[in-house]
Amino acid sequence: GAVVSQHPSRVICKSGTSVKIECRSLDFQATTMFWYRQFPKQSLMLMATSNEGSKATYEQGVEKDKFLINHASLTLSTLTVTSAHPEDSSFYICSASAPDSGSSPLHFGNGTRLTVT
Amino acid sequence: GQNIDQPTEMTATEGAIVQINCTYQTSGFNGLFWYQQHAGEAPTFLSYNVLDGLEEKGRFSSFLSRSKGYSYLLLKELQMKDSASYLCAVRDSNYQLIWGAGTKLIIKP
Repeated sequence: GAVVSQHPSRVICKSGTSVKIECRSLDFQATTMFWYRQFPKQSLMLMATSNEGSKATYEQGVEKDKFLINHASLTLSTLTVTSAHPEDSSFYICSASAPDSGSSPLHFGNGTRLTVT
Repeated sequence: GQNIDQPTEMTATEGAIVQINCTYQTSGFNGLFWYQQHAGEAPTFLSYNVLDGLEEKGRFSSFLSRSKGYSYLLLKELQMKDSASYLCAVRDSNYQLIWGAGTKLIIKP
């Protein structure tokens, strides 16, 4: 089945630094990838939709200059949290749509637990 | 606006049956999905309904009524490992997934 790999699974960084999270589709080409954030005991919140070869589409309230998304190839999208602050600490999850995936549109990476100290 | 409602938390006993309800109001409908999410992990796909009726997959079944904007996930022969959050999501007319807040299911021995 379709597999999405996300790295790193856990990262701790100091306030003011930047963190890059990678999301790869391992056995299919993903023209569209999605980035979610999830705070404890809350549901998934879509941050942005990443389209290969074009600019990402950000959801309302998500700062595009703070959360940089690059989708340079059909198998890789990256999310960079710039100048991270403690309030950015969260669980970040990527997902991708496989072709002909009408009955299961999203395959998720294992998520990245970001802690900003 | 678009909205998906599901209970925040439910408790059930090991070996029993539990039904988790989901109601939705969305701009169009192109399928309803149930995902399971264990704490600290990403969601995993459970089921998909696009036509009215019941879809059965092992111990899990999912039902859909489009006219009522209603679905449920039925879990039979509950096991301790079924303790997780269960997320209902609807794909709207723009093929965007609208997520419910999830139902935390607690299984007691």
